[in-house]
Order: sequence, then C-alpha cells, then structure tokens
Amino acid sequence: QKEVEQNSGPLSVPEGAIASLNCTYSDRGSQSFFWYRQYSGKSPELIMFIYSNGDKEDGRFTAQLNKASQYVSLLIRDSQPSDSATYLCAVPSGGYQKVTFGTGTKLQVIP
Amino acid sequence: DTAVSQTPKYLVTQMGNDKSIKCEQNLGHDTMYWYKQDSKKFLKIMFSYNNKELIINETVPNRFSPKSPDKAHLNLHINSLELGDSAVYFCASSPLAGENEQFFGPGTRLTVL
Repeated sequence: QKEVEQNSGPLSVPEGAIASLNCTYSDRGSQSFFWYRQYSGKSPELIMFIYSNGDKEDGRFTAQLNKASQYVSLLIRDSQPSDSATYLCAVPSGGYQKVTFGTGTKLQVIP
Repeated sequence: DTAVSQTPKYLVTQMGNDKSIKCEQNLGHDTMYWYKQDSKKFLKIMFSYNNKELIINETVPNRFSPKSPDKAHLNLHINSLELGDSAVYFCASSPLAGENEQFFGPGTRLTVL
C-alpha cells in the first residue's frame, strides 16, 4: 500500500459545483495533513492544513479529517475555472522529518 | 522579494555531463529539501537538510550529491547525467522538519538529451 494515495483524475466539475478530493494514508500515527495546489508549470503552494478530526473551513475550502478511517478530503465550494489545478495531499512520515506527497488529483472546472 | 529561489530555471544538457542546481531561501527556515517531480507529476523527496546537516537521504543514486554551505542554501550536483534524470527539480524550505508548511521554489526543468 502506498503511503499516501489519491485518485489521479482528472476530476471534472461544472463551474459553481462542489469539488470533492480524497486522500488516504497508511501511517496511523500521522498527526497533521496538508493540501497543496499546483497550477500547470508552477510550484506547489499550501492551501489548507488540518490536525484534528472533523472539518476545517477557510473561505471556499473545507478540509475534512477522519483518523479512524485514515482519510482526509478537500471540498471546494462554488468551484471556479481558476481552481483548475492539481491538488496534492501531503502527510508527514518517516519519523515526521519528511512529508510524503500523494500523486495528486487533477481538477478541471468547466465554465 | 523571492522567498525560495532556484537557478537555473531551465537546464538542457547532454547525457554524461555534470550539472548543478542552486537554491537559496531568505525565510530564515532551518530545513531545506530537494524534490523530483517526474512527467506523471509525482513529487518525490530526495534529500532534506536541517541546519546544514543531512537528515533525509532517500534511495537516490550516488550521482546526486547535495551540499548545504549554510542553512539558507542547498545546492544539488548531478554527475554523469542520464535520460531518466529529466524532470522538474524543486527546492523547498520549512521552519522545522516535517510538520510545517513547505515553501517551494519555482523549479528547475532539467532535460537530458
């Protein structure tokens, strides 16, 4: 089992819809979880992080964490074409000195 | 003011050559990283330094040698370049290893012909 798994997509949603991106992880001891966004040809940038079970909201973005089921998800409400990018889930591992990235989910928001 | 900078942005070279990529951060962070992102966009950790000391060395060929002259700089030297080395290489930094947000440089696109 890969340490961090994501569906590579592409995930296509119409403008204004909710985009739901999922990530599962294998290390039960992981305590923090990050979502990065990467536009084509650009570097990843952090958009959300979550430490506690439940939901964390920041504007149109909501991160959801379920440690018992070992998954973390990212919801994007009112999706905009500018949200079209690859979203990378990242989880500290290896004694927490490194962060392991998932393969990323490519999101396409159709106008 | 650029937080994490890398040079060069593009690097095109022949197989067998030796090349270096430089990275600098002005954020005062203790930890710096090198990542390789292949054509399938998988971002894989290569090395990590904390205060100039190597703390992570993933299964990377010996042809890759990182050097950190001080905690603001982390360079990557690659010997005897191979076709499979073609990728985008990202430098990143974070305040502490692992737990904190990582700030990425713009990337260096390496093409080996």
